[in-house]
Amino acid sequence: GQQLNQSPQSMFIQEGEDVSMNCTSSSIFNTWLWYKQDPGEGPVLLIALYKAGELTSNGRLTAQFGITRKDSFLNISASIPSDVGIYFCAGRMNRDDKIIFGKGTRLHILP
Amino acid sequence: NAGVTQTPKFRVLKTGQSMTLLCAQDMNHEYMYWYRQDPGMGLRLIHYSVGEGTTAKGEVPDGYNVSRLKKQNFLLGLESAAPSQTSVYFCASSYTNRPNEQFFGPGTRLTVL
Repeated sequence: GQQLNQSPQSMFIQEGEDVSMNCTSSSIFNTWLWYKQDPGEGPVLLIALYKAGELTSNGRLTAQFGITRKDSFLNISASIPSDVGIYFCAGRMNRDDKIIFGKGTRLHILP
Repeated sequence: NAGVTQTPKFRVLKTGQSMTLLCAQDMNHEYMYWYRQDPGMGLRLIHYSVGEGTTAKGEVPDGYNVSRLKKQNFLLGLESAAPSQTSVYFCASSYTNRPNEQFFGPGTRLTVL
């Protein structure tokens, strides 16, 4: 089946640093999504992107829908301890398709 | 509002035993989903429902059955549990016109010995 490749798999950063992660696919997606999973909880939607080239922010988080429609990027500025968790990219190729999730990027913040 | 709730939170089964996981949502969502999450595998869709009385297969449906007798409930059944079904199971729900915004429950951690 279709796969989304997320990188990096995990990140160890210092509090206050900026974070960048990305997600790629071999197929074109019409919707890109970014979810965050806090430890011991279910994922929560952070940002949804619907147009190629779209740049959308949610507080300190900014996500972009790649021009080729085969990738997406998530940036977190000035990281804080509560940013710890797993960030999943997800996508939908067509409106009637189901969402496909990537394997996640696990973010660790060093004190 | 409680959102999406799942019961039980934890369960240990022996191979061959059966069990049912219950998901309930109080947001009047039409769509409901069951996912499993395994280390390094992300979230994989097991079954989903677009409305009361309807269900459909997802990416990994084998070994599972589901039922949606009431709009607010979505049940996931394991008829004969296998060690490969050891996982964390998440239920989610969404509105028909906003399928990308899925609201997830807290998960059920299942171990099959």
